[in-house]
Amino acid sequence: SQTIHQWPATLVQPVGSPLSLECTVEGTSNPNLYWYRQAAGRGLQLLFYSVGIGQISSEVPQNLSASRPQDRQFILSSKKLLLSDSGFYLCAWSVSTGGQPQHFGDGTRLSIL
Amino acid sequence: GESVGLHLPTLSVQEGDNSIINCAYSNSASDYFIWYKQESGKGPQFIIDIRSNMDKRQGQRVTVLLNKTVKHLSLQIAATQPGDSAVYFCAGPFGGGYNKLIFGAGTRLAVHP
Repeated sequence: SQTIHQWPATLVQPVGSPLSLECTVEGTSNPNLYWYRQAAGRGLQLLFYSVGIGQISSEVPQNLSASRPQDRQFILSSKKLLLSDSGFYLCAWSVSTGGQPQHFGDGTRLSIL
Repeated sequence: GESVGLHLPTLSVQEGDNSIINCAYSNSASDYFIWYKQESGKGPQFIIDIRSNMDKRQGQRVTVLLNKTVKHLSLQIAATQPGDSAVYFCAGPFGGGYNKLIFGAGTRLAVHP
């Protein structure tokens, strides 16, 4: 069966520091991969998605970037974090054909001080 | 549908009762809808999906109803249990493509013994 792993579960970072969140998927090949952010008490906002290695689509202008160095690895990065980057970051995967559900990891709670 | 709000609507039910969670959407250009359950501190968990060529789909203790005429989607949970307490989200592509799910703001389900 397919599994998705995100780490770390919780992260506290100072303003201006860099960020690297990693997500890996097991048990499937050529998945579509996604990064979302969820503000407290709100729905999910799509940040990036990828349909293949090195292919990244950005949905909102922001202080973040994403990379997909391997088929089942998706990384969310920032060179200098802002206070507004605080939130709950979720990685998800889906099969590459359309009309299939996305499956989420358990997220990273990021607090910027 | 697509809406944002700082205060989640809450549905309170007694254990054993049936629950109905509703979702209204304004964009007709979606042929696929998904329901997710999110427990505190975790990522959304896929519950059930439905395509627009169907009006009803049943799973284990859950039923999704789709009324395209009034643009309304509902999730029915039979014999609600304390473990069903969570925030429930509807989601769909809504014309943006299957990679760009738009999530509703969510409904909190509170199950009381």
